This record gives sequence, structure tokens and C-alpha cells, in this order.
Amino acid sequence: GQNIDQPTEMTATEGAIVQINCTYQTSGFNGLFWYQQHAGEAPTFLSYNVLDGLEEKGRFSSFLSRSKGYSYLLLKELQMKDSASYLCAVRGNQGGKLIFGQGTELSVKP
Amino acid sequence: DTEVTQTPKHLVMGMTNKKSLKCEQHMGHRAMYWYKQKAKKPPELMFVYSYEKLSINESVPSRFSPECPNSSLLNLHLHALQPEDSALYLCASNQGGNQPQHFGDGTRLSIL
Repeated sequence: GQNIDQPTEMTATEGAIVQINCTYQTSGFNGLFWYQQHAGEAPTFLSYNVLDGLEEKGRFSSFLSRSKGYSYLLLKELQMKDSASYLCAVRGNQGGKLIFGQGTELSVKP
Repeated sequence: DTEVTQTPKHLVMGMTNKKSLKCEQHMGHRAMYWYKQKAKKPPELMFVYSYEKLSINESVPSRFSPECPNSSLLNLHLHALQPEDSALYLCASNQGGNQPQHFGDGTRLSIL
């Protein structure tokens, strides 16, 4: 079967660093995506990993280990506006289909 | 604002009505997608169009009928929906392959 796991909720403090983990078991692997979704809004693309290692984009970084079926999204210098749902999604073998995890609801507190 | 435009933003309809959701993108993307999203849940894929042809149908009930009139437009025709079909309907597009999907703001649909 296909399964993507990520924590349901996380809380962090403004200015801090938070790591959101994602583990996956899918039929085939053709890349892992992270999306951010604020309540009532569209998901917006944050990062993409297809090879092992770290991809850095400003305050956000994403890491992938294909052998472990594991990824994380690292958010630095947290801001209140980072409070949102973070979705991990894997592209398997079925065309353009993305398999989404349940999302991690991140709350950033002052 | 996103580069994928969906109309209407909100739609309330009865179970016997027929309505259509529209999606438009002018980024030259060759793949377009319909998703359904319930509150506090991830998007669920419904349909994928690649080069204007339906390539994936995730066993969606026939009361949902997609249409891709051209490479920039994607419609979702609705007929005889059920209250459980109330959700946010998201359209997305990409160049295909491993390119990220770009999402529209969605249509929030309520079935009375």
C-alpha cells in the first residue's frame, strides 16, 4: 500500500527553529514535495527533493533520505505568518499523481 | 493571488442542480488536475488531464464530469450532488514530470 506519515500538530515559538518529519512507503518514488497551506487558501509549493540530501531556500530547507523513506522540512527564524498546515507529498509511479500526507498543523506562538 | 484562476470562489447548490466549476491557467502547463479537499484533510486527487486528454480518474462518481476544452481551461461539471460532496475543490497545473503543481484558490462548494 501507499502510506505517508507526518505529525498532526506541532507548536513552536517565534524566532525558533522547527523540524517537520515525513516518512513514506509508496509504490515507486519520483520525488517528494512540501507545500504550505494557510487556512482557507490554496497550497503553495515550498520545496522539492528527488536526490538524497539537503535543499535550502531561504528560511526553509528540506532533506531527503530515499533509503530510509524519510524527509524533513526545517523552518528557521519562525514568524507568526508561518502558522499553517504543511503537506508532504510523494510522486510515485502513476503519472503526475501526488500522494499527500495528512498534513502537519504548525502553530507559532509569540 | 495565484496563477491558476478558479471560478466561482463560492457555490451553493441544491442536490438537483447542474453547475460547473472553471479553472484557467496561462502558464503553458500541459497537465491539469482536480482535487477535492475536506476541512483539516489533505487534497484528494480526482482527475488528471495530460495534453488535454484524461489520464487519471480516481474512481470518481459520475455525478462529477471533467472536461478540458483546450490546454488552458479545465471544467468540472456537477450534477445531482450529495451533501457529502460539500468541500473545497482545487484545480492545479504543471508542466508534467517532476515539476511542482501550482494550485488555484479553489471553489468552496456547499450542497444543500
